Amino acid sequence: RKEVEQDPGPFNVPEGATVAFNCTYSNSASQSFFWYRQDCRKEPKLLMSVYSSGNEDGRFTAQLNRASQYISLLIRDSKLSDSATYLCAVNTNAGKSTFGDGTTLTVKP
Amino acid sequence: DTEVTQTPKHLVMGMTNKKSLKCEQHMGHRAMYWYKQKAKKPPELMFVYSYEKLSINESVPSRFSPECPNSSLLNLHLHALQPEDSALYLCASSPLSGGRGWTQYFGPGTRLLVL
Repeated sequence: RKEVEQDPGPFNVPEGATVAFNCTYSNSASQSFFWYRQDCRKEPKLLMSVYSSGNEDGRFTAQLNRASQYISLLIRDSKLSDSATYLCAVNTNAGKSTFGDGTTLTVKP
Repeated sequence: DTEVTQTPKHLVMGMTNKKSLKCEQHMGHRAMYWYKQKAKKPPELMFVYSYEKLSINESVPSRFSPECPNSSLLNLHLHALQPEDSALYLCASSPLSGGRGWTQYFGPGTRLLVL
């Protein structure tokens, strides 16, 4: 079993749609959680850190459920510019970072 | 400013060459990382330096040799690479203090082709 499992996708949605991505992790010692966005042939860019209390940044909402060991990302009112690969990342306190395989989102006009 | 710079952007090398990748950050971050990313795959952690000391080596072959000369610089020395080592090599850094402790900020990467 992989340490971090992510929805395989791809997700193809119309503009304005709401889309949700999920990741589950197996290491209960994991301490910090992130969502990154990666455009084709570019580096991952930090989208959001994920906290147990949940956090929101505009159209983006991230949630962490420690009991069930999963994290989620919700994108509301999708824009064409949201098309990218979304990667979850799970860190131990020692800095070991494991990424999910990524989910590709295509937002269509 | 969350800028991590990497040089060169592209590198083509033969299997007998020796080359180095360079990564630099001036954000006062105290952890730096090397990742390898193949096409359509997630980044794979190779090495982590915390406070200029190697803290994680993910069983990387010895033909990859990391070096952290100071808190702002991270090098990856390459020697006798194989064609399957062709990939995007990403550097990242983390503050290790404040609320964003282990949050990683990535550089643009070096695209390496081994012939």
